[in-house]
Amino acid sequence: LAKTTQPISMDSYEGQEVNITCSHNNIATNDYITWYQQFPSQGPRFIIQGYKTKVTNEVASLFIPADRKSSTLSLPRVSLSDTAVYSCLVGLSSNTGKLIFGQGTTLQVKP
Amino acid sequence: KAGVTQTPRYLIKTRGQQVTLSCSPISGHRSVSWYQQTPGQGLQFLFEYFSETQRNKGNFPGRFSGRQFSNSRSEMNVSTLELGDSALYLCASGSSGMDNEQFFGPGTRLTVL
Repeated sequence: LAKTTQPISMDSYEGQEVNITCSHNNIATNDYITWYQQFPSQGPRFIIQGYKTKVTNEVASLFIPADRKSSTLSLPRVSLSDTAVYSCLVGLSSNTGKLIFGQGTTLQVKP
Repeated sequence: KAGVTQTPRYLIKTRGQQVTLSCSPISGHRSVSWYQQTPGQGLQFLFEYFSETQRNKGNFPGRFSGRQFSNSRSEMNVSTLELGDSALYLCASGSSGMDNEQFFGPGTRLTVL
């Protein structure tokens, strides 16, 4: 599975847009990019998944450049409740429940 | 649709004992995965079961084992507990479809004394 690199931590303020970038230089042709959110003492929660270009859902957008060696999770207008760890995962989307989590990015939203 | 449930939520054991944790996946999901989360190592994959067969396995010693029943419920067993086994054990279920979103349960907090 491709290794991912993310910033360890980020700070933001309520109402701002937050962009978290993940590097995955060794991504394979069949790999998808998935982001999870995790609060302390809880299990991760799926945010968004994509293969290329741009994906948007009700909570976030995912931008993937043509070379797919990186991806950016965009959280519009964050609130205090968005304070959490955000993890980028790269791997096959189908036929496996094996997820390899890195240390993720701890996002701290301040009032 | 009910979410992933795990029992018990909290457990205290002593070194050398064994423990069994239970996970009930979302109805219709056939994939169940187990993870261990510790402050030092983060979230680590233990193993995955699909249709009663172990499909993937992480790098944990043989003291960690699991099984899945015909109704997709899964159990994880840890024998000869060590202090370092104290962790939050998370179970996730998935449909194994193309989007393969994994849904995590609340976890079982195991403390080994």
